[in-house]
This record gives sequence, structure tokens and C-alpha cells, in this order.
Amino acid sequence: AQKITQTQPGMFVQEKEAVTLDCTYDTSDQSYGLFWYKQPSSGEMIFLIYQGSYDEQNATEGRYSLNFQKARKSANLVISASQLGDSAMYFCAMREVGGGADGLTFGKGTHLIIQP
Amino acid sequence: DTGVSQDPRHKITKRGQNVTFRCDPISEHNRLYWYRQTLGQGPEFLTYFQNEAQLEKSRLLSDRFSAERPKGSFSTLEIQRTEQGDSAMYLCASSPTRDNTDTQYFGPGTRLTVL
Repeated sequence: AQKITQTQPGMFVQEKEAVTLDCTYDTSDQSYGLFWYKQPSSGEMIFLIYQGSYDEQNATEGRYSLNFQKARKSANLVISASQLGDSAMYFCAMREVGGGADGLTFGKGTHLIIQP
Repeated sequence: DTGVSQDPRHKITKRGQNVTFRCDPISEHNRLYWYRQTLGQGPEFLTYFQNEAQLEKSRLLSDRFSAERPKGSFSTLEIQRTEQGDSAMYLCASSPTRDNTDTQYFGPGTRLTVL
């Protein structure tokens, strides 16, 4: 079973609109971290936002916020007021602290295209 | 701040040749990770180091792959007897001593093409 599921292979959004990118995860650990990364066509993975499993408040970083619903095991990324430069691949990732594994498990990504 | 750097950025090689990639982490980051990303997929974890110790290896890391971090600073990833299936982007990341997030910061990657 996939540990990270991103169900939207691609999305087209009008500039200045808000965008929600879906991510669901599967883990039996109580302690874990959830991450979102942006990958432009240049290839570099850019860290956007982090949510810990014990964090009670949803994480926010500028125009990025993470809609964390623990019971549903979802960690959707919300981008407010989208910009042309937001066009990129977006990856959701998880690190399971309890299992001792320190590598991140990534989803397959969502290709976001912002249209003018 | 200097980010994670990787060298070379691109490598084209013939099947059967050996290749070596280098990663320089963010200074003072004692954890270093290697990932492989194939077209249309998210990165897959290969291995990681805490200082010079290699603490975890994925089953993806076949016997043809070896990674080192001899002085706890830069790391090298070597692939011996390359195969066409090794064609991928190889990403390196580093993170500081475990804190409450242990966020990994990635380099630009090395794109390997095996002919």
C-alpha cells in the first residue's frame, strides 16, 4: 500500500486563485512529520512547509498553509493568491519518527500550472 | 548561506561504466541523505549518514551502489557497472542535528543518463 497518495496528477489554476493540493498518508506510527516540497523544472526540491503529528495548529508559511486533518490522515497544501511562479511539481512527503527510519517517503506529485 | 551542492549536474555514460557523484551538504548539517528520482515519480530514499556513519540503506541500494562520507563532510555515491535502469536524477539532501522538524534541504541533483 502506498504510504503517501497524491490523487491529482495535474491541475490548471487561474492566477490569483487559491489552490488546494491533496495528500493522504498511511502510517501506524504516532509520531511523524509531514512535508511539502516544490520542484520547478530546474529539478531542485524546495522545502515549503512542515507539520508535526503532535502539532495542534495547522502550519502556515507565507502564502502556504497546511490543512492537517489527523483523523482522516490528510495533509493538504493550500496556496493562497497563486502566482505564475508557483507553476511546478509539488510533492507531499512523510517521515515516520517512531520506526527509526529517517528517509522521507514521497508521493508521486501534482503538476500545478498557473495560467494568466 | 550556501545550500547543498552537487557535482556534476549532468552525466552521460555508457552501460557498464562506473560513475561517481559528489554532494556537499550545508555546513554544520551532520545528516546527509541520497535519493533517486525517476521520471514521473517522487524521490526514493537510498541511504543516509550521520556524520561519517552510514546508518540506513534502502533495499533499492543494490550491491553496485556504494556511498561514503569519509570525514563527515562531503559524500560520494558510486555506481559500478551502470545499467540503463540506473538513469535517473540523484538527489542529495542534508539536515541539522535532529530538532523538532528535521527538515531536509535538497541540492540541485545530478541527472544520470546511461546509454
